[in-house]
Amino acid sequence: GAGVSQSPRYKVAKRGRDVALRCDSISGHVTLYWYRQTLGQGSEVLTYSQSDAQRDKSGRPSGRFSAERPERSVSTLKIQRTEQGDSAVYLCASSIGDRGRGETQYFGPGTRLLVL
Amino acid sequence: KNEVEQSPQNLTAQEGEFITINCSYSVGISALHWLQQHPGGGIVSLFMLSSGKKKHGRLIATINIQEKHSSLHITASHPRDSAVYICAVRSGTSYGKLTFGQGTILTVHP
Repeated sequence: GAGVSQSPRYKVAKRGRDVALRCDSISGHVTLYWYRQTLGQGSEVLTYSQSDAQRDKSGRPSGRFSAERPERSVSTLKIQRTEQGDSAVYLCASSIGDRGRGETQYFGPGTRLLVL
Repeated sequence: KNEVEQSPQNLTAQEGEFITINCSYSVGISALHWLQQHPGGGIVSLFMLSSGKKKHGRLIATINIQEKHSSLHITASHPRDSAVYICAVRSGTSYGKLTFGQGTILTVHP
């Protein structure tokens, strides 16, 4: 495909369960980002990775959130022991280079997660 | 206080009106993005700015680096412009991470 895709588009999880969200970025893009977007709180960065290394886990709450990159153009965001507050839209984005300056990020459609 | 503040949070307009959405930020940035999100849809990047002004169709984006302020203007608004408009900044020291504003919900009535 020509753009960034995410799956599933919608996910309902029972509180306490682990979930995994997938992102397929644009082939050749080096850097992958995960964002969380919640109503009323805007958006925050969860994590990003360049090539195979997860560079930054500065997003909150970092302990339960981790991102893996099994392939160069694939990232999986894992949320352990989900909480109701994790209900949000999770956005994946990628950019061409690894310089991180002045680059456009290309966004996926998002995964809407609802934790009951 | 959020690093990126948008105003207004909600905006209702009649078709044909000129619309302005404002964004102020408090950190040093290397670039500012204006994004559009339709209900149920993904996010589309409208503009990326580091200085001056850009125009695309009926959309105009301006940025004043000294005042740390950007505006998005829509001329001759149309109901299909109804969406959430998000300002996002890239800090000068980050690895390309974007900090988002809260978004402005725009509704244009026919």
